[in-house]
Amino acid sequence: EAGVVQSPRYKIIEKKQPVAFWCNPISGHNTLYWYRQNLGQGPELLIRYENEEAVDDSQLPKDRFSAERLKGVDSTLKIQPAELGDSAVYLCASSPLLRQGSTGELFFGEGSRLTVL
Amino acid sequence: GENVEQHPSTLSVQEGDSAVIKCTYSDSASNYFPWYKQELGKRPQLIIDIRSNVGEKKDQRIAVTLNKTAKHFSLHITETQPEDSAVYFCAVRGTGRRALTFGSGTRLQVQP
Repeated sequence: EAGVVQSPRYKIIEKKQPVAFWCNPISGHNTLYWYRQNLGQGPELLIRYENEEAVDDSQLPKDRFSAERLKGVDSTLKIQPAELGDSAVYLCASSPLLRQGSTGELFFGEGSRLTVL
Repeated sequence: GENVEQHPSTLSVQEGDSAVIKCTYSDSASNYFPWYKQELGKRPQLIIDIRSNVGEKKDQRIAVTLNKTAKHFSLHITETQPEDSAVYFCAVRGTGRRALTFGSGTRLQVQP
């Protein structure tokens, strides 16, 4: 079974340019997460989707970040315009819908490493 | 929101020794406590987890203990091996929030 797939793996852009990241979750996983991981830090949640609905986006900087999950499967995360401080690894994760007895384990993709110059 | 603190930030041990990493959390109603291992340039991967109704869980050389009263949980690795070298993250799922809140990570180095 394929894991969570992200692209691109690496992206280098000039500040003020736009950038987009794509994520394909594990088949059947209803919940999708975007996390940002700064160098030497733990992942920090940006947004969580249950199917196509964004149910937790309180940590998403909405002035420049946007996300969508059309049809409740693939998702894209966009930054426009990018700033120097946006340099980080953007991790996508998915999990099955939480039910009684389920662990709620998150399965991560390899991440998209963004460098803003 | 949930606050998770992880210590130490770096840990160096000799091969064969034990390693212990500790995390504290703020929400007393939190119910799920996983540990993830992240090798350099790789994705975080779950190595062990524990629920709030259990005090200890063991899987071969790794174990997790939970103290709900003190709001802390620990990862124990025995008989460490060089391939255990990685960054380890604790995480917590608080009430009303399905996403995990992660600690800042511990870089474990096992010296051969």
